[in-house]
Amino acid sequence: DTGVSQDPRHKITKRGQNVTFRCDPISEHNRLYWYRQTLGQGPEFLTYFQNEAQLEKSRLLSDRFSAERPKGSFSTLEIQRTEQGDSAMYLCASSLLRRANTGELFFGEGSRLTVL
Amino acid sequence: GESVGLHLPTLSVQEGDNSIINCAYSNSASDYFIWYKQESGKGPQFIIDIRSNMDKRQGQRVTVLLNKTVKHLSLQIAATQPGDSAVYFCAENILNNAGNMLTFGGGTRLMVKP
Repeated sequence: DTGVSQDPRHKITKRGQNVTFRCDPISEHNRLYWYRQTLGQGPEFLTYFQNEAQLEKSRLLSDRFSAERPKGSFSTLEIQRTEQGDSAMYLCASSLLRRANTGELFFGEGSRLTVL
Repeated sequence: GESVGLHLPTLSVQEGDNSIINCAYSNSASDYFIWYKQESGKGPQFIIDIRSNMDKRQGQRVTVLLNKTVKHLSLQIAATQPGDSAVYFCAENILNNAGNMLTFGGGTRLMVKP
């Protein structure tokens, strides 16, 4: 499968714990995005990378959230001191630079976080 | 604030009929409008995009119409099939110096009756 891969698919954690999600984009895609989606809502933009550079962060991305893409390939999203309000589906997407402007993103199947 | 939204949360159609999903937007600065399909348990899947200087674009069994006068976007699906059952999101894309980020609406669930 050469699509966007996310791991883990499901994570249940207790409030206050740290969690980390990993995203492996489509190999030739230089743009990588993180979105968050709650039930019944559309995805909300969190941050995106072009190669290893983090170019934009949403105000939704509090200080407890950090994302990295150290070698311009896979990315991690870490949430520290999780809160119940962090429970959501975390979606990763990637795109080719030349197609990104049209809004054509390739999404993974997401990592569902449940904070107890 | 600026937002992208949908008129109907659920649309039920008979298999074989045409479906029309509507979306209202408020940000006139959007450069592209996009439709995504999301099946249960999966990530959103790109369907079609339309640039803001166009009013119609056709794909395979789908047509997107853009009416900038009333800030309205629609997705028409011809001969709707059971596999079209999903939640459909419209999104807008604004290009800026930092690149782009999509703003999604709340979604419409399409249910196809056999």
